[in-house]
Amino acid sequence: SQTIHQWPATLVQPVGSPLSLECTVEGTSNPNLYWYRQAAGRGLQLLFYSVGIGQISSEVPQNLSASRPQDRQFILSSKKLLLSDSGFYLCAWSPRVPEEDRNYGYTFGSGTRLTVV
Amino acid sequence: LAKTTQPISMDSYEGQEVNITCSHNNIATNDYITWYQQFPSQGPRFIIQGYKTKVTNEVASLFIPADRKSSTLSLPRVSLSDTAVYYCLVGDSWNYGQNFVFGPGTRLSVLP
Repeated sequence: SQTIHQWPATLVQPVGSPLSLECTVEGTSNPNLYWYRQAAGRGLQLLFYSVGIGQISSEVPQNLSASRPQDRQFILSSKKLLLSDSGFYLCAWSPRVPEEDRNYGYTFGSGTRLTVV
Repeated sequence: LAKTTQPISMDSYEGQEVNITCSHNNIATNDYITWYQQFPSQGPRFIIQGYKTKVTNEVASLFIPADRKSSTLSLPRVSLSDTAVYYCLVGDSWNYGQNFVFGPGTRLSVLP
């Protein structure tokens, strides 16, 4: 079965510090990978998505970047965090090619609560 | 991608059936309809997915009329633990997730 791992669960970082959040998927190959951010009490905002190694699409201009060094690894980074980067960050995957008798939807990780102070 | 519209919030009591309707007037031929549930401080969780007519699983039913311009998520006999935000997404499975936008969802509050 497929699993998605995201860490750390919580993170408190000072303004101006770097950030690295990692996400890995097991049990599948060639997944689509996504980073979402959710501000308190708000909906999910798509930040980045990737359809393959080294292929990253950005949805919003921001202080963040993403990389996909391996097929099932997705990393969210920042060189200098801002207060506005605080939020709940979620990694997700979906199958590139839908298979019969399975859902075509997202599977989300457990999330990282980032507080920039 | 089809834009969706859902009620912002709903209240219900334990034991009642809850129906949440999503409008998606611009749904395309290849689009599927998927519903997710999100609890606080957790990632959304897949509930159910359908293309047309009715789909039922162990937690919910999804009703889709013939024109597919709307869909209704039905939760039978809700409990306090069903209090969550419910999202409706519509999209093409082959490009699933690309440029997807989760709307604000429907915040369901189940009262004792």
